Formats: sequence, structure tokens, C-alpha cells
Amino acid sequence: NAGVTQTPKFRILKIGQSMTLQCAQDMNHNYMYWYRQDPGMGLKLIYYSVGAGITDKGEVPNGYNVSRSTTEDFPLRLELAAPSQTSVYFCASSSSRDWGYPGELFFGEGSRLTVL
Amino acid sequence: KQEVTQIPAALSVPEGENLVLNCSFTDSAIYNLQWFRQDPGKGLTSLLLIQSSQREQTSGRLNASLDKSSGRSTLYIAASQPGDSATYLCAPPFGNEKLTFGTGTRLTIIP
Repeated sequence: NAGVTQTPKFRILKIGQSMTLQCAQDMNHNYMYWYRQDPGMGLKLIYYSVGAGITDKGEVPNGYNVSRSTTEDFPLRLELAAPSQTSVYFCASSSSRDWGYPGELFFGEGSRLTVL
Repeated sequence: KQEVTQIPAALSVPEGENLVLNCSFTDSAIYNLQWFRQDPGKGLTSLLLIQSSQREQTSGRLNASLDKSSGRSTLYIAASQPGDSATYLCAPPFGNEKLTFGTGTRLTIIP
């Protein structure tokens, strides 16, 4: 049982380049999330999904896009990378509980992105 | 919007001591709250999920309490060990499907 798998673990981009961070989970969770974590700061929610075909914006969605074509996968697309997108990105998943609240969140190991 | 505050931001204690980490949040209309641990350079690991109806949840040397009416949760660590050194984050829900994270308490256990 791999849990939540993120690739790549590290990436350096030039300003204006684009890339996709991959996230896959094998726990049949319906909820999936993308967070970014900047040094000394808490996690900020970028996008989330409550099921295949359904995505919604979090606190800091500008400059990012997501899709959820399957239950397992939730890729995060960065278009026109900017230095402000230098961060560590975490993908997480959970099942849903009563009234739609998330259950225990499982996190990937993170993807460290540097934009120069 | 859910605002989360964790105090203290950093804490150093000698090995063997019991300690309490505090979390306060502004929106008390929550169903549950989660505590996580993060080791340097790693992802987050779920420690405890406490339901609002439970008020307390225990796992080994960890005990979390939740007081919705006052917007507070505490994480109690008994008989601390060097391996407990990490950053601890609390995360109440925001809306139904999302969690909001505090900035965490960086804990150092001194051998």
C-alpha cells in the first residue's frame, strides 16, 4: 500500500516554464488536496477535489490548474512559472466522513520546486 | 474564514517531561479537528483525529482534547522522548471538506 505518491521530489524551473506535479493515491479516497508550504508559514490550500470530475479553488489558486479525471490521480499544473511559486508542494487525500467532513488526511512526501 | 493560532511557536524541554501544545481557532462550528506531526524535509503525518462529540482522543503517549465552545484544542505529550522532536500542527476544518492549518509548534526534546 503506497499511500500518496508525489512526483517529482525536486525540480528547478526557469521563469515562464510550465510543468505538472503528479499525485496519485491508492486508498480509494474521494477527497484530494494540493497545499503549498513556504518557509516559516503554514500550509496554504491551492485546490481541492471531492471526487472525480469535481475540483474547487482553495486560498491561493492563482497560477495553478488542476484536473481530476480519475479517483486515483490529481495532477497540479503550473503555467508560466514565477519566482513566487518557489515552495514545497504537498498532495493529500482522505475519505469523507459525516456531513462531508474529511477523515484522516494522508500526505505525500512533498515536491520541492524552485523557480529561477 | 478559519484562523488558527498555535502557541508557543517553539518549545524546548528536557527529555522525560510532560508538555502541552495549544491550538486556538476562530470558527467553532466544526465537526472534528486533526493534529499532525512534520519532521524536517518530510510530509505531514496524522497523529490524532478528535471528533467534537468526543472531547478527548488518546494514542499512546499522546492525548488531544477539544473544546469547541472556547475554540481551543490541546495536545498533551507524556514522558517526552528525543524522537518526539518535530513540528506539530493542528488543523480544524474550514467549510465542510477542507482543513485550515496553523503554523505549528516546533518542539525540541533535549536528551
